[in-house]
Amino acid sequence: IVMTQTPLSLSVTPGQPASISCKSSQSLLQSDGKTYLYWYLQKPGQPPQLLIYEVFKRFSRVPDRFSGSGSGTDFTLEISRVEAEDVGVYYCQQSTQLPCSFGQGTKLEIK
Amino acid sequence: QVRLVESGGDLVKPGGSLRLSCAASGFTFSDYYMSWIRQVPGKGLEWVSHISKNGGAMYNVDSVKGRFTISRDNAKNSLYLQMDSLRVEDTAIYYCARYVSAFDIWGQGTMVTVSS
Repeated sequence: IVMTQTPLSLSVTPGQPASISCKSSQSLLQSDGKTYLYWYLQKPGQPPQLLIYEVFKRFSRVPDRFSGSGSGTDFTLEISRVEAEDVGVYYCQQSTQLPCSFGQGTKLEIK
Repeated sequence: QVRLVESGGDLVKPGGSLRLSCAASGFTFSDYYMSWIRQVPGKGLEWVSHISKNGGAMYNVDSVKGRFTISRDNAKNSLYLQMDSLRVEDTAIYYCARYVSAFDIWGQGTMVTVSS
């Protein structure tokens, strides 16, 4: 399954919202009723960290300014008010079908 | 504290071999699938391989099939990646990660460079 993210880069003023789109080449809805779509943030010099699992569920200690939505083949990560610590590269990833696959990444910078 | 620490990365010539290790701590290792994911510095992420809880099932991305072998030792809380017939395009940071459909815990990575 090919994961396509847009945009590939984003420059946002602190306090403003940001939105990243992720489209999959096939539906990510599994026969068990779950959608195995995840979002990660890779901060500079660090490994990726899980933000959102199963489309919209925030991982532990992830601030509530991060939210995920979508279904089928179209998904969105939104940051309600960007902060300086949010800089890095955001990736979507699917585990509905092997091989697991990631989007190309979206680089978020602060204006 | 849940932690994964990779080791074994090195500079190796094309056609050579390398064995990566990942030491887990802070959780019951045998309760989880585990994975290897790689990243060319400055580029995106590529899932490489994962292994079931007891090591009985393994899955690899097509580009490493027949060359890389994932394994684990639950008694030692350790994950391994045996990499043979290495190619220049295998050059990357290799991360081990705990797999719960998501990759919820990641190590800091170990660098593998394949170059003559």
